[in-house]
Amino acid sequence: EAQVTQNPRYLITVTGKKLTVTCSQNMNHEYMSWYRQDPGLGLRQIYYSMNVEVTDKGDVPEGYKVSRKEKRNFPLILESPSPNQTSLYFCASSLAQTWRDYNSPLHFGNGTRLTVT
Amino acid sequence: KNEVEQSPQNLTAQEGEFITINCSYSVGISALHWLQQHPGGGIVSLFMLSSGKKKHGRLIATINIQEKHSSLHITASHPRDSAVYICAVRGADSNYQLIWGAGTKLIIKP
Repeated sequence: EAQVTQNPRYLITVTGKKLTVTCSQNMNHEYMSWYRQDPGLGLRQIYYSMNVEVTDKGDVPEGYKVSRKEKRNFPLILESPSPNQTSLYFCASSLAQTWRDYNSPLHFGNGTRLTVT
Repeated sequence: KNEVEQSPQNLTAQEGEFITINCSYSVGISALHWLQQHPGGGIVSLFMLSSGKKKHGRLIATINIQEKHSSLHITASHPRDSAVYICAVRGADSNYQLIWGAGTKLIIKP
């Protein structure tokens, strides 16, 4: 089944304790992205990747790191989490091999609800 | 002012009613997306439009490029349509980034 898999679904941690949220897709998609969703603010992009070893900042990259060493995986790393990073996080992927694919649909993971105390 | 505005923010209706959710944007676009976020949190793509109208089951999406406006309609609404509906646009001069609306929370009562 074609899907984007995020883990974990729920995570409670303490300030400063490094954590990683994993994201994997099995659709051979070039484009992958991380979003955070906060009440009243909608989805905001954290980082995105156009292909292996190609990553770029979104609208709210501060406090986050990503890597894209393989096409299927795009982990989100919080080196020193803080309470203002408490949020619902989504990974998404899309086919984007050529310009005409840029408007292909986004496939989302089920989300990770992170609480930093 | 946000570049993508959705209205209404919240909508409660009775089962069977015809539903309209609006999306207005202020930038030139190459495409507009409608997505649905279920109460459990999962997000799915519903439509992608660059012109005209698309229909899938009871869902219809329209776009007017000149007026920079799109509508999502639900006919014969059902409680299972209760969700947050999100509009997002890709700017015409954007490399790949989407500009997101804040979403419309729809509740359909039986």
